[in-house]
Amino acid sequence: QVVLTQSPSASASLGASVKLTCTLSSGHSSYAIAWHQQQPEKGPRYLMKLSSDGSHSKGDGIPDRFSGSSSGAERYLTISSLQSEDEADYYCQTWGTAFRVFGGGTKLTVL
Amino acid sequence: EVQLVESGGGLVQPGGSLRLSCAASGFTFSSYTMSWVRQAPGKGLEWVSYITSGSTSIYYADSVKGRFTVSRDNAKNSLYLQMNSLRDEDTAVYYCARETVHDYWGQGALVTVSS
Repeated sequence: QVVLTQSPSASASLGASVKLTCTLSSGHSSYAIAWHQQQPEKGPRYLMKLSSDGSHSKGDGIPDRFSGSSSGAERYLTISSLQSEDEADYYCQTWGTAFRVFGGGTKLTVL
Repeated sequence: EVQLVESGGGLVQPGGSLRLSCAASGFTFSSYTMSWVRQAPGKGLEWVSYITSGSTSIYYADSVKGRFTVSRDNAKNSLYLQMNSLRDEDTAVYYCARETVHDYWGQGALVTVSS
């Protein structure tokens, strides 16, 4: 079974950039993932699909400030020019036949 | 505009049953795999089940297997989750989501299992 590992928390200053990491378990480094954002008291919102080669396709209306990249078993979400509304929980997710799995989420604080 | 609207949540006693619905609009519902995902209070997202476009393949998380049943009615653009033998740990907000990557989500329906 695929396991996705995320750091529980991250922080960065308003206007700065931050890079969040999602790590795929051993033997699963070829998997694509999706990133989702969940602002406080709201439902999740799809950000992008990110493939193992770093190519990504974003959801409707997702600003250019959000980008994705990959290296080996690591999948990254970079948010540039941080805004207050970027303070949220960020989840990575992957899939296969018969399963979907989410990482534990990273709580991003904008200072 | 793609919209997913869940309904049917509420308070139920342990051992009871509840049926959630998800009404879809703004896209060709019959062409898409659909999922249920839940979130317990203060916790992360947990996948529950998915069903393929023609209902030919259905899968469940181990935590709900044998107790929950997912179904869909493509003529009514609707997705369902029948939840039986509910436990305290099933208390959560339940979301329906579209496709493998969950590119659209509903607003969620709160299910509270408590005596």
